[in-house]
Amino acid sequence: DTAVSQTPKYLVTQMGNDKSIKCEQNLGHDTMYWYKQDSKKFLKIMFSYNNKELIINETVPNRFSPKSPDKAHLNLHINSLELGDSAVYFCASSEQSRGLHSPLHFGNGTRLTVT
Amino acid sequence: GEDVEQSLFLSVREGDSSVINCTYTDSSSTYLYWYKQEPGAGLQLLTYIFSNMDMKQDQRLTVLLNKKDKHLSLRIADTQTGDSAIYFCAENNQGGKLIFGQGTELSVKP
Repeated sequence: DTAVSQTPKYLVTQMGNDKSIKCEQNLGHDTMYWYKQDSKKFLKIMFSYNNKELIINETVPNRFSPKSPDKAHLNLHINSLELGDSAVYFCASSEQSRGLHSPLHFGNGTRLTVT
Repeated sequence: GEDVEQSLFLSVREGDSSVINCTYTDSSSTYLYWYKQEPGAGLQLLTYIFSNMDMKQDQRLTVLLNKKDKHLSLRIADTQTGDSAIYFCAENNQGGKLIFGQGTELSVKP
């Protein structure tokens, strides 16, 4: 009965490869996010989707492409992986995007290591 | 601008109180949050405070908000070894983004 689940938990791949991370939430939330946590634990938002529509797109290389087939799923595809992409990627969801009180519910993260 | 700052490390002895501090810049933030991240896990919401409140208490946790100074703190009473984790302060800005601080790593020594 995991609320926000993402797969895989670990991903080790070589530079230049293309990989995807999947995320699903069963909370009935309208909004989903991808955050990147670097080696210094700093968390930065990458994308946000509200009911399948992209609403936040931070300055992220266009090698990163989110896809939301429905409001319960938000996948992240990364092309031509680079060493600097190594990080922990967190999926999250919230009830609404601009609500006054919409705390985020996080998945357990995907640790991506690019060699 | 949007900026949330925290000190990076805090070490306390078991049974002592821990106080984790945070400063933020967006005065329009309506809610401020504290999240806890244990090793290898995602962030869990610990507690939150509405911007028109000065204080909120929830069992061992006390949140203090000084809106004038844009200062938020989290006090953990009777800190236990299980409280060892990284604690993130976050503000909810008008653009709908949650802006996180760098996280404070709390180490509890027996």
